[in-house]
Amino acid sequence: DAGVIQSPRHEVTEMGQEVTLRCKPISGHDYLFWYRQTMMRGLELLIYFNNNVPIDDSGMPEDRFSAKMPNASFSTLKIQPSEPRDSAVYFCASSLYDGSYEQYFGPGTRLTVT
Amino acid sequence: DQQVKQNSPSLSVQEGRISILNCDYTNSMFDYFLWYKKYPAEGPTFLISISSIKDKNEDGRFTVFLNKSAKHLSLHIVPSQPGDSAVYFCAASSNSGNTPLVFGKGTRLSVIA
Repeated sequence: DAGVIQSPRHEVTEMGQEVTLRCKPISGHDYLFWYRQTMMRGLELLIYFNNNVPIDDSGMPEDRFSAKMPNASFSTLKIQPSEPRDSAVYFCASSLYDGSYEQYFGPGTRLTVT
Repeated sequence: DQQVKQNSPSLSVQEGRISILNCDYTNSMFDYFLWYKKYPAEGPTFLISISSIKDKNEDGRFTVFLNKSAKHLSLHIVPSQPGDSAVYFCAASSNSGNTPLVFGKGTRLSVIA
């Protein structure tokens, strides 16, 4: 298995632009998580899905952030409009509910908003 | 408020010695704990875990100890190797099932040859 795939790996955009981050979870996994990593706050959970349904989006910082999971093999995290304080590394992770708590992370997308 | 705390942002250890990374938690409902390792430009990868019904779990050079009364866990790496240099995250989960993990901010371990 290729593991969790994220694209793009790096994104540089100007303030005010729309940014879309993409994630393909591991095939067969039924949970998908979006995290943001910053120096100040570490790894924060933004939102997670179970069987494509959003379960908890309380970590989404503002209405500028939205996430979708149209099918079991694809999810997007969108920021519109982007701001410099959104600069961070965004990780997608997936897991299978089999009694294990282990989540498998993608390589992350480094977002820079200028 | 941080439910999982790693109070040491960084740690330097000589090759061959023991590395001890610490983690404290505040939520007494946490019943499963994990350690993740992260290299630069990569996502975190699972290293070792422990259930709250145990106080020790060992996997090769890695051992995790859990002290429930103190709400404290630690990761021991012995002997430390240069390839162990990475950021280590402590994570915790509550209730059975696939609830989200709560992560600490991480400790950067440098193993010096």
